Amino acid sequence: EAQVTQNPRYLITVTGKKLTVTCSQNMNHEYMSWYRQDPGLGLRQIYYSMNVEVTDKGDVPEGYKVSRKEKRNFPLILESPSPNQTSLYFCASRTGVGNYGYTFGSGTRLTVV
Amino acid sequence: AQSVSQHNHHVILSEAASLELGCNYSYGGTVNLFWYVQYPGQHLQLLLKYFSGDPLVKGIKGFEAEFIKSKFSFNLRKPSVQWSDTAEYFCAVNSYNQGGKLIFGQGTELSVKP
Repeated sequence: EAQVTQNPRYLITVTGKKLTVTCSQNMNHEYMSWYRQDPGLGLRQIYYSMNVEVTDKGDVPEGYKVSRKEKRNFPLILESPSPNQTSLYFCASRTGVGNYGYTFGSGTRLTVV
Repeated sequence: AQSVSQHNHHVILSEAASLELGCNYSYGGTVNLFWYVQYPGQHLQLLLKYFSGDPLVKGIKGFEAEFIKSKFSFNLRKPSVQWSDTAEYFCAVNSYNQGGKLIFGQGTELSVKP
């Protein structure tokens, strides 16, 4: 089944403790992206990647890192999480040609205390 | 900078009522337009998309949207809503030459009363 898989689904952590949220897609998509969703703000793009080793900042990149060493994986790294990064995070992917619609993962609800 | 504006934060309708959700974007070039739906506790699913051609596009579950270039609008419509349409709806835009960057509106929460 074609899908975007994120792990974990739920995570509670403490301020300053480094964490990684994994994202993997099995559709051989070139583009991958991370969003955060907050009430009243919709979805805001954190980072996106056009292909292996090619990444670019979205609208809210501060406090986040990403890497794209393999086509299928696009982990989101929080080096020193803070409470304002408490949010619902979505990973998404799409093909680089033709259809421009992103396919979304199931989300990761992160709480930083 | 590109932006997307959804006019209605929360819409409440009775079953069988007609629906129209507004979406306006700011970008002067060629754009691709999308509507996504998020059912409670779930991830986003693509409802419909517009790239070119007929400005009236039909999506899944009886939804349609009309692209009006002169008004920078892409409103979502459904002639008769059902209780199962209760969800949050997001309009999104990406520009033709910025394929990876997809900008979302703030979302419209739709509640349908049985």
